[in-house]
Amino acid sequence: EIVLTQSPGTLSLSPGERATLSCRASQGVSSNSLAWYQRRPGQSPRLLIYAASSRATGISDRFSGSGSGTDFTLTISRLESQDFAVYYCQQYGTSPYTFGQGTKLEIK
Amino acid sequence: VQMVQSGGGLVQPGGSLRLSCVASGFNVNSNYLSWVRQAPGKRLEWVSIMYSDGSTKYTDSVKGRFTISRDNSRNTLYLQMNSLRTEDSAVYYCARHPSYYGVDWGQGTLVTVSS
Repeated sequence: EIVLTQSPGTLSLSPGERATLSCRASQGVSSNSLAWYQRRPGQSPRLLIYAASSRATGISDRFSGSGSGTDFTLTISRLESQDFAVYYCQQYGTSPYTFGQGTKLEIK
Repeated sequence: VQMVQSGGGLVQPGGSLRLSCVASGFNVNSNYLSWVRQAPGKRLEWVSIMYSDGSTKYTDSVKGRFTISRDNSRNTLYLQMNSLRTEDSAVYYCARHPSYYGVDWGQGTLVTVSS
């Protein structure tokens, strides 16, 4: 199975700053089928990005995804208070559709 | 658009449970829908998927024990879980496959397998 490794484990930033989160796959992700999710405390995950770089419906353009093959990045520009949460990547190109371990974005 | 789950609970090892996920705002038979779980302290784990054509896939650890299905008339997705093990204890979520409109997850339902 494809193992996804996210880095850093925790990212401490201030509102207004830019966040860069990484997701590395143990082998190439088929058709760049890579998604990013946000999870706030007490809530279910919410899809932000699919197909590595496409924003889902209703998602702010402050969220952007990039990358291909084995290396993917989620960038959040101009952090707002509601952005501080845990972020997960998922590959859905090859079954089983695995998740990363998460990056916690916390307020500095 | 929402997905409302039910059916979790406490069950003994070897027992069975059926999870339900009622969808509103979209048709289950025209979407790819998955079950995902998260055990305490562990990462999210994809469990199973049903594609719009009715085909299915499972993660290895549940093959032969879990069955995903849907009832189009009820617009509901199910996960029948048999021969449950302690390691199946987790919060289970139903989820739409990642896509432009596929943002929805259910609220989660707790399954505890314990004697």
